[in-house]
Amino acid sequence: DAGVIQSPRHEVTEMGQEVTLRCKPISGHNSLFWYRQTMMRGLELLIYFNNNVPIDDSGMPEDRFSAKMPNASFSTLKIQPSEPRDSAVYFCASIPSGSGFYNEQFFGPGTRLTVL
Amino acid sequence: AQSVTQLGSHVSVSEGALVLLRCNYSSSVPPYLFWYVQYPNQGLQLLLKYTSAATLVKGINGFEAEFKKSETSFHLTKPSAHMSDAAEYFCAVTYAGGTSYGKLTFGQGTILTVHP
Repeated sequence: DAGVIQSPRHEVTEMGQEVTLRCKPISGHNSLFWYRQTMMRGLELLIYFNNNVPIDDSGMPEDRFSAKMPNASFSTLKIQPSEPRDSAVYFCASIPSGSGFYNEQFFGPGTRLTVL
Repeated sequence: AQSVTQLGSHVSVSEGALVLLRCNYSSSVPPYLFWYVQYPNQGLQLLLKYTSAATLVKGINGFEAEFKKSETSFHLTKPSAHMSDAAEYFCAVTYAGGTSYGKLTFGQGTILTVHP
């Protein structure tokens, strides 16, 4: 299995631009999580989906952030417009279908976003 | 509300020395606890987890952790450090009930440096 796939791995953009981050979870996994990692705030959960449905988006910073999961094999995290304070590493993680809340989350390699 | 506190943002040991990374949790219900490791420019990888079975949990790469309810702790240890253990380590907690679906709360992380 290829693991969780994220693209792009690096993104540099200018303030005000739209940014779309992509994630492909492991086949057969039905829960998907988006995290943001910064030096100041550590690792924060932004949103998670179960069976393509958003369950908890309380970690999404503000309306500039949106996430979708149109099908079981693809999710996007969009920032529009982007700001320098959005610079961070964004991780996607997934867990297998039917697994309990205590099971391992499989993380992707992350997307390093820099907003100038 | 659940939370974890990792004592010490940086730990430095000599190769062959004992590794001890500290984690204390706060949870109003029985917790499920995890240690993840992050190597440079990579996603997180599960080292071990506690799910209310044995209180001493063994993980990959020779690491283990002991759940101590009386001390609300879940410290990570390894008898003899290797250079390859240099990484950042995260303690995380979740709990049963509600709609947690594996929603993890992470500590701030501890960077482990191993000296020759």
